[in-house]
Amino acid sequence: EVQLVESGGGLVQPGRSLRLSCAASGFTFDDYAMHWVRQAPGKGLEWVSGISWNSGSIGYADSVKGRFTISRDNAKNSLYLQMNSLRAEDTALYYCAKDIGPSLSQDNWFDPWGQGTLVTVSS
Amino acid sequence: SYVLTQPPSVSVAPGKTARITCGGNNIGSKSVHWYQQKPGQAPVLVIYYDSDRPSGIPERFSGSNSGNTATLTISRVEAGDEADYYCQVWDSSSDSGVFGGGTKLTVL
Repeated sequence: EVQLVESGGGLVQPGRSLRLSCAASGFTFDDYAMHWVRQAPGKGLEWVSGISWNSGSIGYADSVKGRFTISRDNAKNSLYLQMNSLRAEDTALYYCAKDIGPSLSQDNWFDPWGQGTLVTVSS
Repeated sequence: SYVLTQPPSVSVAPGKTARITCGGNNIGSKSVHWYQQKPGQAPVLVIYYDSDRPSGIPERFSGSNSGNTATLTISRVEAGDEADYYCQVWDSSSDSGVFGGGTKLTVL
């Protein structure tokens, strides 16, 4: 069974940093691209970032470009999101999601998703 | 950037058919995927590649995509189908995922 378990969320002050992790199991991690998707309280889904199987291709939403960095460690079956210069509008539940294939292409979708880790940016 | 537009809400009586639309410029040329999200739960894929169903998703769920509109159709709606539904595409011009704003399905 595929499992994705996010961790690292919490309360952080504006301007500070936080690193999220996603531990994957139940599938061959380095065969698939991975993504972070967030959901602000009471709001819809927003794609944040994606990374190909070998980290050769990476994408970011405009809202986080230059502040967030996605990475992966295939030896540890883990996905990461380094979040710097955090803002109040980054407050959200952050989901880790598995792609259906290895690369970022025109047919990417997300299945399954983890349960999410909550990030709250507030002073 | 590419924009997907969904109606905020759709209401339907039990046993009837619900149709949730997702509008986008020439969306028919893209692959559209649909997710169901119940309160307090992570999203679940219900349709991929416009009209394919993952294993475990009832046949009552179907999808179509043409022109500027993709549609998720839920036949013989049940109370358990009440949820938020999101459409999604991959914007290859910017290498980014795009979600619609979501539609809350209410079963009357």
